[in-house]
Amino acid sequence: GQQVMQIPQYQHVQEGEDFTTYCNSSTTLSNIQWYKQRPGGHPVFLIQLVKSGEVKKQKRLTFQFGEAKKNSSLHITATQTTDVGTYFCAATYYGQNFVFGPGTRLSVLP
Amino acid sequence: SQTIHQWPATLVQPVGSPLSLECTVEGTSNPNLYWYRQAAGRGLQLLFYSVGIGQISSEVPQNLSASRPQDRQFILSSKKLLLSDSGFYLCAWSQRAEYGYTFGSGTRLTVV
Repeated sequence: GQQVMQIPQYQHVQEGEDFTTYCNSSTTLSNIQWYKQRPGGHPVFLIQLVKSGEVKKQKRLTFQFGEAKKNSSLHITATQTTDVGTYFCAATYYGQNFVFGPGTRLSVLP
Repeated sequence: SQTIHQWPATLVQPVGSPLSLECTVEGTSNPNLYWYRQAAGRGLQLLFYSVGIGQISSEVPQNLSASRPQDRQFILSSKKLLLSDSGFYLCAWSQRAEYGYTFGSGTRLTVV
């Protein structure tokens, strides 16, 4: 089946530093979604990207969909301890169910 | 507003015992329903999904089964649990793709 890769697997940052996670696919995607899962919690939907080159912002979070619709990124500016958790991308290939990436686990040191 | 309920929160079961996890959604009709499993520190694996009562699609051959006896009820079952069935089981619903999935709080299953 289709696979979605995410890098890095883990990221440790000092509070105030920026953080970026990348989601990559070998085939063209229809849509991509991003989720956040706090430690011990369940995934929570953050956003969906649909258009080639699309950029969306939510406060300190910036989401981008690549021009070729094969990759996406999530960038957090000036991380805070509340940003701790695992960030998942989920991609769909034209009519199929979303496939989740393995996630990037973010640790923020105060 | 829509809510999703999943229970129990934690479960410890012996190998060979049966399993029944229940998920219900409130505040919407004819939702798409999903069962996911998450191994410790890993991503989400889609197990089953349903687009309507009695309609179940299986993504991964396994020791589990699912049923949807009512529009807003989704049940995950097993006749005999294996050690490899341990994990974090998440129910989710979606009305439209662009709204994303809404997950329940999950069930942590440990098979001993």
